[in-house]
Amino acid sequence: GAGVSQTPSNKVTEKGKYVELRCDPISGHTALYWYRQSLGQGPEFLIYFQGTGAADDSGLPNDRFFAVRPEGSVSTLKIQRTERGDSAVYLCASSLGAGAYMYNEQFFGPGTRLTVL
Amino acid sequence: SQQGEEDPQALSIQEGENATMNCSYKTSINNLQWYRQNSGRGLVHLILIRSNEREKHSGRLRVTLDTSKKSSSLLITASRAADTASYFCATGNSGGSNYKLTFGKGTLLTVNP
Repeated sequence: GAGVSQTPSNKVTEKGKYVELRCDPISGHTALYWYRQSLGQGPEFLIYFQGTGAADDSGLPNDRFFAVRPEGSVSTLKIQRTERGDSAVYLCASSLGAGAYMYNEQFFGPGTRLTVL
Repeated sequence: SQQGEEDPQALSIQEGENATMNCSYKTSINNLQWYRQNSGRGLVHLILIRSNEREKHSGRLRVTLDTSKKSSSLLITASRAADTASYFCATGNSGGSNYKLTFGKGTLLTVNP
């Protein structure tokens, strides 16, 4: 079956611009996650959705970052007034569910490489 | 912040040899997962081991977990050039936030033909 897809695969923008990154999870997966990976580092958690609601947005670095998942499927990560330090690969993942007694194997998309000039 | 720490940071071996990568972590976990990443893009899930398991196998992969030492190892047997990639361990914390995977910086494995 289809895996997690992300668009665009690459995005180049100028400092101060607004960008939207899209994630299409695996069908039937209720949990969706965004991570950010800087060069030479492992991915870092940004936000977790269970259904339509953001259950944990503690990883968002500041209020320029926002994410939505209005219908419980596709999610959009929005970055306002982009800065050069936002340049990274943004990874989306999904899993069947998540909870204290679940072992949530997360499936990742190919990522969006964001470059802010 | 990164919890897991892989060791070594880089490993270069010949095709056919075994590769062992280690991961240490700091807090109590619900599970530990290993991922592979090629060329800095999407991560491929390799194996998940639960906190109450000590060893798990999948094909040429063998993962061990020692919760008393807060460490895990990934063994790839009979390596192939196609195994060249970065390998990450990721932990899901115990309690209510196990959904939040915490990754290490990874081990870059190079398998020379």
